[in-house]
Amino acid sequence: GAVVSQHPSWVICKSGTSVKIECRSLDFQATTMFWYRQFPKQSLMLMATSNEGSKATYEQGVEKDKFLINHASLTLSTLTVTSAHPEDSSFYICSARDTRGLRFTDTQYFGPGTRLTVL
Amino acid sequence: GDSVTQMEGPVTLSEEAFLTINCTYTATGYPSLFWYVQYPGEGLQLLLKATKADDKGSNKGFEATYRKETTSFHLEKGSVQVSDSAVYFCALSDDTGGFKTIFGAGTRLFVKA
Repeated sequence: GAVVSQHPSWVICKSGTSVKIECRSLDFQATTMFWYRQFPKQSLMLMATSNEGSKATYEQGVEKDKFLINHASLTLSTLTVTSAHPEDSSFYICSARDTRGLRFTDTQYFGPGTRLTVL
Repeated sequence: GDSVTQMEGPVTLSEEAFLTINCTYTATGYPSLFWYVQYPGEGLQLLLKATKADDKGSNKGFEATYRKETTSFHLEKGSVQVSDSAVYFCALSDDTGGFKTIFGAGTRLFVKA
């Protein structure tokens, strides 16, 4: 089956620094990727939709200048948490939609997640 | 907008008990419906899916039927095992919403030996 990887799997950083998280689709092309965050024992909240070659679409309440998304190729999207603060500590998960096949092929494949801890 | 509502947990069952986790949805289009499972310390895994009304998704003894008339997609398993202990998320993906996935709050399942 399709595989999505994330790097790093966990990161600890100091308050005020920036952290970049990579999301890669390993064996398929993904024109669309999604970024979620998950707080402990809570559900996944969609942050933004990452579109290859164009600007990301952010959900209401998500600061686009703080969470920079770049989807530079059909297999890579990056999320950069700028000037991170302790409240940004969370589990960040990406997913990629396999855009091959029929219009209604909407299966998404999720990455294993990146745990960010900001001290 | 689209939304998913699932029963609150935690749900605690004894091994071999019958499991039902209720899920209902609201959507403007014709969504596909999913159940995802998250085992402790792991990422999200697709458990099963259904793409149109009356479809039944099934996997690993779990099943769920897409009921358009009741806008429901309840998860069932006839005999749970300790290894089924996890958090289960009901979700939908709507082509009118750009295929982004909307998740329910998650239901934590504990299965006792």
